[in-house]
Amino acid sequence: DADVTQTPRNRITKTGKRIMLECSQTKGHDRMYWYRQDPGLGLRLIYYSFDVKDINKGEISDGYSVSRQAQAKFSLSLESAIPNQTALYFCATRSSGSSYNEQFFGPGTRLTVL
Amino acid sequence: KQEVTQIPAALSVPEGENLVLNCSFTDSAIYNLQWFRQDPGKGLTSLLLIQSSQREQTSGRLNASLDKSSGRSTLYIAASQPGDSATYLCAVDAASGGSYIPTFGRGTSLIVHP
Repeated sequence: DADVTQTPRNRITKTGKRIMLECSQTKGHDRMYWYRQDPGLGLRLIYYSFDVKDINKGEISDGYSVSRQAQAKFSLSLESAIPNQTALYFCATRSSGSSYNEQFFGPGTRLTVL
Repeated sequence: KQEVTQIPAALSVPEGENLVLNCSFTDSAIYNLQWFRQDPGKGLTSLLLIQSSQREQTSGRLNASLDKSSGRSTLYIAASQPGDSATYLCAVDAASGGSYIPTFGRGTSLIVHP
């Protein structure tokens, strides 16, 4: 089984709809991240969480919100989706407890907003 | 604000060539640097992580070096194979508000043709 899972893998929705993307991990990591990837723009950080009670805005948080329900779960919500939020969304995790703290990524969610 | 640049943006080479991919960053106060591989429409796979106190890391045909003072890292791929075709991304952990968060480059798209 994958260590970092994302649901759904693909989603098509309409402008104005509320959407939730979910991320779960079995790696026991305390830190979790949400990114979006657009063609030619690389990955940009939306929100990150260092533990259940520590949530921080990233570079492009406007229009998004998050919830860290447990150490293993981190959800990203689009309260009212708009077409320019069409992108590939990735969740990532890492451990703060090791100096070799590489990031591990989920498979991504492809979101299309019509 | 940390900025990460990857050159070249795209590269096409015949099988067997040795390659160098470049990653530069504007703020040398980094915690670590990580190289990833991304296949089309897929998630990111970690290749190598170099801690700020290290100069290089090796894994199989891959060697990554880090020169903090000049703000540069290189990923060397020896004896390239068609299976190496993918996009390669680097990410640096830069200081932000007392913690370190990742900043990604836009990637180098590599095609190795038989």
